[in-house]
Amino acid sequence: DIQMTQSPSSLSASVGDRVTVTCRASQSISIYLNWYQQKPGKAPKLLIYGASSLRGGVSSRFSGSGSGTDFTLTISSLQPEDVATYYCQQGYTTPWTFGQGTKVEVK
Amino acid sequence: EVQLVESGGGLVQPGGSLRLSCAASGFTFRNYWMTWVRQAPGKGLEWVAMIRQDGSEKYYVDSVKGRFTISRDNAMNSLYLQMNSLRVEDTAVYFCARSQDYGSGGYLADWGQGTLVTVSS
Repeated sequence: DIQMTQSPSSLSASVGDRVTVTCRASQSISIYLNWYQQKPGKAPKLLIYGASSLRGGVSSRFSGSGSGTDFTLTISSLQPEDVATYYCQQGYTTPWTFGQGTKVEVK
Repeated sequence: EVQLVESGGGLVQPGGSLRLSCAASGFTFRNYWMTWVRQAPGKGLEWVAMIRQDGSEKYYVDSVKGRFTISRDNAMNSLYLQMNSLRVEDTAVYFCARSQDYGSGGYLADWGQGTLVTVSS
């Protein structure tokens, strides 16, 4: 199975800060890396698919990059409504696997 | 608007069985792979099972193989997860999700609100 490792596990940043979350796959997954946002008590929501494609309706503050084994989710200017846990997920081969999550808080 | 509504969760004893359902609307159900994902209390997300549009291909995470069965009824726009020989570690919120192909891979485009399964004596 492909292991997905996110870092950091949590972070705290100020409103307006640029925030970066990284995700590393245990083997190459080409561009088949997706990012989800989960707010407390809610279902996850797709933010980015194919490493860098922004889902329609998602704020342009969010962007993704990378290919192969190393990927990044960036929030260009952190807003209070971005408080959530973010998960990466590889959709390259079954079993699809998720990273352990990164909890983002606002200072 | 895509809607996915799970039901069937509840409290069950270890070794027991439960059948989850997911009612889909707002899209052409028969055209999409469908997936179950679970989340143990306070933990991360775990992909559980996936089924092809016509039900001809099914994939499972190792920890549920031989115990869980994913199925679908395209006439009823419904997805199911039959869970047998339940273990305490199966306790989780179970989400159904619409899977979307993308090149040679895929992603989980839409999610239901989840249904809680608690396995406890």
